[in-house]
Amino acid sequence: GQNIDQPTEMTATEGAIVQINCTYQTSGFNGLFWYQQHAGEAPTFLSYNVLDGLEEKGRFSSFLSRSKGYSYLLLKELQMKDSASYLCAVRLTYYGGATNKLIFGTGTLLAVQP
Amino acid sequence: DSGVTQTPKHLITATGQRVTLRCSPRSGDLSVYWYQQSLDQGLQFLIQYYNGEERAKGNILERFSAQQFPDLHSELNLSSLELGDSALYFCASTTDRFDNEQFFGPGTRLTVL
Repeated sequence: GQNIDQPTEMTATEGAIVQINCTYQTSGFNGLFWYQQHAGEAPTFLSYNVLDGLEEKGRFSSFLSRSKGYSYLLLKELQMKDSASYLCAVRLTYYGGATNKLIFGTGTLLAVQP
Repeated sequence: DSGVTQTPKHLITATGQRVTLRCSPRSGDLSVYWYQQSLDQGLQFLIQYYNGEERAKGNILERFSAQQFPDLHSELNLSSLELGDSALYFCASTTDRFDNEQFFGPGTRLTVL
């Protein structure tokens, strides 16, 4: 089976840094994605990692360790508008072939407080 | 605005009924994905189409079916509806089959009473 774990909720302070962790156990791996979703809205793409290491994109960075089945999303200089759900997703492969099927975790609801 | 459109925005219906959800991908995108998001299960992949052909399938129920038409819009048909089918249904699109960034539509909120 496929398993992706994230904390359910986190709280952080405006201007601070927060790290949202994601661990996965999946049959096949072809990349890890982070999406942001505000309540009642569509998910929007934040980042993609397929090789080990850190990818930085403005205030957002994402890290991947394939050997540990682990990723984190780092949000710096938190703003109130960053209050949202953050979804970790793994892209699967089948029988060695490519697919764009994503398996999502249940998401981490981040509350940014003043 | 992602450029992906979905209709209707809200749908309220009764158990046992059948509904059709519609998705128009971004201009030029050939691949369409359908997802179901309920409170207890998060975002679940249902099915992917690429240029009219089915490419990947998730845990889509037999009561659900989808298709992608020659003009690349897609429809998700849900039949014999149950209370548990109440959820947000999202469509996403990409240019190719394997693009990294999927662009999501605003979703259709289905309520089954």
